[in-house]
Amino acid sequence: NAGVMQNPRHLVRRRGQEARLRCSPMKGHSHVYWYRQLPEEGLKFMVYLQKENIIDESGMPKERFSAEFPKEGPSILRIQQVVRGDSAAYFCASSPGQGEAEAFFGQGTRLTVV
Amino acid sequence: KNQVEQSPQSLIILEGKNCTLQCNYTVSPFSNLRWYKQDTGRGPVSLTIMTFSENTKSNGRYTATLDADTKQSSLHITASQLSDSASYICVVRHSGTYKYIFGTGTRLKVLA
Repeated sequence: NAGVMQNPRHLVRRRGQEARLRCSPMKGHSHVYWYRQLPEEGLKFMVYLQKENIIDESGMPKERFSAEFPKEGPSILRIQQVVRGDSAAYFCASSPGQGEAEAFFGQGTRLTVV
Repeated sequence: KNQVEQSPQSLIILEGKNCTLQCNYTVSPFSNLRWYKQDTGRGPVSLTIMTFSENTKSNGRYTATLDADTKQSSLHITASQLSDSASYICVVRHSGTYKYIFGTGTRLKVLA
């Protein structure tokens, strides 16, 4: 049973390009959370998704950012028209439900905008 | 406002020494509190999880305590090792919701 898989591990984009970050949850997990970590700062909640549903996107910037978790396939965090300030580590976590179950983190995707 | 504050922000100790990290939270109502260890460049890994009814939980050389009345938790590391160098993050879950509220972490460096 593989852990939470994120890819790519490192992503370099020029300003104005699109970044697509993928997260495959652990087997049997239907809940996915995305967090952003700026250099030297803590993790900040972005969005919480269940299969085919966005439950809470209160941490997502209003523009350029979107997330999905389709019935089949990984969860995708999409950043359009990236800017330098989007450079950060993006972590995904998954859990089997809303209860007290453990949430496991992936290794993150480090986005660098040049 | 639901917040989690950790202290100290950073800490340097010698190998073999003990240390204690602090976490104060204002999250209410509270469901559980977790301590994570995050190595540089890697995702956080869970060390302990405690509900409001638990006062202490151990995981090897890591011992977490919780005082739900004062809304304080501590993580005690015994006989530190070089591999303990990492960020330690306190995470509090808001009761009845999915939201995990993260502290900014304590950066621990263990020197030989």
